Amino acid sequence: GENVEQHPSTLSVQEGDSAVIKCTYSDSASNYFPWYKQELGKRPQLIIDIRSNVGEKKDQRIAVTLNKTAKHFSLHITETQPEDSAVYFCAASSSAGGTSYGKLTFGQGTILTVHP
Amino acid sequence: ETGVTQTPRHLVMGMTNKKSLKCEQHLGHNAMYWYKQSAKKPLELMFVYNFKEQTENNSVPSRFSPECPNSSHLFLHLHTLQPEDSALYLCASSQDQGGSSYEQYFGPGTRLTVT
Repeated sequence: GENVEQHPSTLSVQEGDSAVIKCTYSDSASNYFPWYKQELGKRPQLIIDIRSNVGEKKDQRIAVTLNKTAKHFSLHITETQPEDSAVYFCAASSSAGGTSYGKLTFGQGTILTVHP
Repeated sequence: ETGVTQTPRHLVMGMTNKKSLKCEQHLGHNAMYWYKQSAKKPLELMFVYNFKEQTENNSVPSRFSPECPNSSHLFLHLHTLQPEDSALYLCASSQDQGGSSYEQYFGPGTRLTVT
């Protein structure tokens, strides 16, 4: 089955700096890669996702890059703000076998702290 | 209420109790999921239902029993749990079509403590 590794487990940056979180996956059939943000005591919420037919996607201060050959994808947050502090999870999904659901395998999570 | 709701939000139960967790989605989605979130562990997929049919059981012990009476409701029946089952149980739903995955919307979770 799919295995997703996420690094680093904790990341501390100063406000205004950039933050980068990296994930690798094992199943070459995976074709959907979402990133979720979970604030303390709250539910995970999607912040950005990318599909395997795209190499990069941006949404304001957030970007995700995908390298299918190397089987890794990264989250980039620029101009970080204290409200970016949260746990970030990457995930990979394969819809192989003709099933119509997406089985997400999550990384271990990265605790991001942005200091004012 | 909109989105994905879960009840109860907190539950304390003894190892011999039987209880149920409830999830409801108001998004018209066709797929629903149960996840377990423990401290210092990644989100673990437990069960997947698509159009009310269970399509995934991720090697979950039989003391966890899911039920999906329709596409909007999902239950997790609990019995004879162990202390290590204490965790946050998250429900999610998505609209998956044509073999492609789409965003999963999570509920607020049920914080379960087994004593």
